[in-house]
Amino acid sequence: EVQLVESGGGLVQPGGSLRLSCAASGLTLSTYWMTWVRQAPGKGLEWVANIKQDGSEIRYVDSVKGRFTISRDNAKNSLYLQMNSLRAEDTAVYYCTRNYGRCFDYWGQGTLVTVSS
Amino acid sequence: DVVMTQSPLSLPVTLGQPASISCRSSQSLVYSDGNTYLNWFQQRPGQSPRRLIYKVSNRDSGVPDRFSGSGSGTDFTLKISRVEAEDVGVYYCMQGTHWPWTFGQGTKVEIK
Repeated sequence: EVQLVESGGGLVQPGGSLRLSCAASGLTLSTYWMTWVRQAPGKGLEWVANIKQDGSEIRYVDSVKGRFTISRDNAKNSLYLQMNSLRAEDTAVYYCTRNYGRCFDYWGQGTLVTVSS
Repeated sequence: DVVMTQSPLSLPVTLGQPASISCRSSQSLVYSDGNTYLNWFQQRPGQSPRRLIYKVSNRDSGVPDRFSGSGSGTDFTLKISRVEAEDVGVYYCMQGTHWPWTFGQGTKVEIK
């Protein structure tokens, strides 16, 4: 059974940093593109960043460029999102997702990031 | 970016009755390989999204056959033949043809 388990969310002040992690089981992470998708409270879904199998290609939504860094450790079967210079508008549940067949087919349970003073 | 427009945004339904959600894209979703990468997700209250349908009409494993997807080009539909209580939640269409992949605004299905 495929499982994606996110961790690292929490309450942080504006301008602060957080590092999210996603631990995968039941799949070999190195085989897939992976993506972080977020959902602001009561809002819809937005992709944030994704990374190719070997980390050689990375893409970010414009609103997080220069502030967020996606990375992966295939040996640990894990995905990460380093978030710096956090803003109130970054408040959301962040989901780790697998990319397959041009879709996000597996999702974790999400981790909540709240940016507030 | 491709804009995905869902309607209605709110859908009150009587148990046992059918429901239909429309999703329209601002560009054709036919990919260069001939496939149409239009997907549907269900998000029950307090849960993460779950994919129901991929490539327009293919149901994921474990998805009840009361869910069906149809459409082509820029117009797509998700139908629930007989709504059950467990179907309450928000439904999103999502296109995977053009980067960045984009979602519709969501349609909230509730029981009357």
